[in-house]
Amino acid sequence: GENVEQHPSTLSVQEGDSAVIKCTYSDSASNYFPWYKQELGKRPQLIIDIRSNVGEKKDQRIAVTLNKTAKHFSLHITETQPEDSAVYFCAASRPRAQKLVFGQGTRLTINP
Amino acid sequence: DTAVSQTPKYLVTQMGNDKSIKCEQNLGHDTMYWYKQDSKKFLKIMFSYNNKELIINETVPNRFSPKSPDKAHLNLHINSLELGDSAVYFCASSPDRTSGANVLTFGAGSRLTVL
Repeated sequence: GENVEQHPSTLSVQEGDSAVIKCTYSDSASNYFPWYKQELGKRPQLIIDIRSNVGEKKDQRIAVTLNKTAKHFSLHITETQPEDSAVYFCAASRPRAQKLVFGQGTRLTINP
Repeated sequence: DTAVSQTPKYLVTQMGNDKSIKCEQNLGHDTMYWYKQDSKKFLKIMFSYNNKELIINETVPNRFSPKSPDKAHLNLHINSLELGDSAVYFCASSPDRTSGANVLTFGAGSRLTVL
């Protein structure tokens, strides 16, 4: 089955700097790669996703890149703000799959 | 107005007891899930139902029994609770799988503490 590895497990950056979180997946048939943000005590919420037919997607300060050959994808957050502090999860799923497989999560802390 | 609602939000109980968590979604989604989030924040799928049919059972102990009376509801019953069952249990739903993207909407979570 699919296995998703996520790094780093914790990340601390200065406000205004960029943050990058990386994930690798094992199943070459996976074609959907979302990122979820979970604030303290809250539910995970989708922030951005990418499908395997594109290499990059951007939404304001966040972007995701995908390298299908290497089977890895990354989340980039620019001009970080205190409200970006949260746990971020990457995930992967196969076409018409009934489940998302999540990475282990990255706790991002933005230092003022 | 809540899209995916689950109750109770908090549950504190003794080892050996039986407890249930209920989940309802008003999004018209076909698929519902239970995920377990442990103290290290790992999000692990437990069950998936599509239109009331069990699709995925991820080697969860049979003390855990999901039940879907209709496609808008998915409940989780746990027998003989153990200390290791302490976790946050998230219900989630997603649209028809043929849409090609498994976009999950999560409930607020139910924090289970077994003493």
